[in-house]
Amino acid sequence: AQSVTQLGSHVSVSEGALVLLRCNYSSSVPPYLFWYVQYPNQGLQLLLKYTSAATLVKGINGFEAEFKKSETSFHLTKPSAHMSDAAEYFCAVTLNSGGGADGLTFGKGTHLIIQP
Amino acid sequence: GAVVSQHPSWVICKSGTSVKIECRSLDFQATTMFWYRQFPKQSLMLMATSNEGSKATYEQGVEKDKFLINHASLTLSTLTVTSAHPEDSSFYICSARSGQRNQPQHFGDGTRLSIL
Repeated sequence: AQSVTQLGSHVSVSEGALVLLRCNYSSSVPPYLFWYVQYPNQGLQLLLKYTSAATLVKGINGFEAEFKKSETSFHLTKPSAHMSDAAEYFCAVTLNSGGGADGLTFGKGTHLIIQP
Repeated sequence: GAVVSQHPSWVICKSGTSVKIECRSLDFQATTMFWYRQFPKQSLMLMATSNEGSKATYEQGVEKDKFLINHASLTLSTLTVTSAHPEDSSFYICSARSGQRNQPQHFGDGTRLSIL
C-alpha cells in the first residue's frame, strides 16, 4: 500500500518569497508522484509529475519538485510567490507496478496563503 | 488539451431521490476513469475505478449498489447516487486518464451534491 504525508495543513508566505510545500511518500515499489492544485469549488489541475525520468521536475506556473528517493520526498517549490498561487495543493502517489488500486492516493492537502 | 467536463456542477435534491453525474473527456479517449469524494476541507478519497466496457472496481467501504458507475464509452462515465440521503452530501470529482499509471489523471470541476 502507498501513502502520502503533507507536512503543514497551512503555509503562509509573503508575495515574492520562496514557496516550499512538503510531501513525503511511502510505497513498497517505485512510485509515480504528482502535484495538483485546487482552487475553491473546482477540480484539480496538474502542476507536475514524476514518473522515473529526471528527478528534478518542472511544472506549470513556475513550480518545480525534486524526487529524493533516499528521503522519500517530493517537495514542491517556487522561487517567488504570486498572489494567484493562493490555493490548496495536493501531493498524490500511485504505484508503477504490482496490484493495488489504480487510482491516486492523496495527501491531506496544504492550503497556501500569500501575504501581500 | 486534456479537458474533462463534469455535469452538473451543483445539485440540490430531496432525500430518497437518485442523482446522476456525468463525466466526459472532451478531447481525448479515457481508457480509465475515476470517481473521488471530497469532504469539506479534506482530501480526495478514491471511490471507484472504471475501465470502458468493464464493471467498476470499488474501494473498500464504498457501496456499489448505492453508487452505480457506468463507463459506456471511451469518453463518458456516469455516477448515479441512488436513493440519496443527507449523509451522501459531498463534493464528487471525476478524473480521466489515457494510458497507464505514469500518465496523469485529468480532473473535472466537481459536482456539489446537497441532499435535503
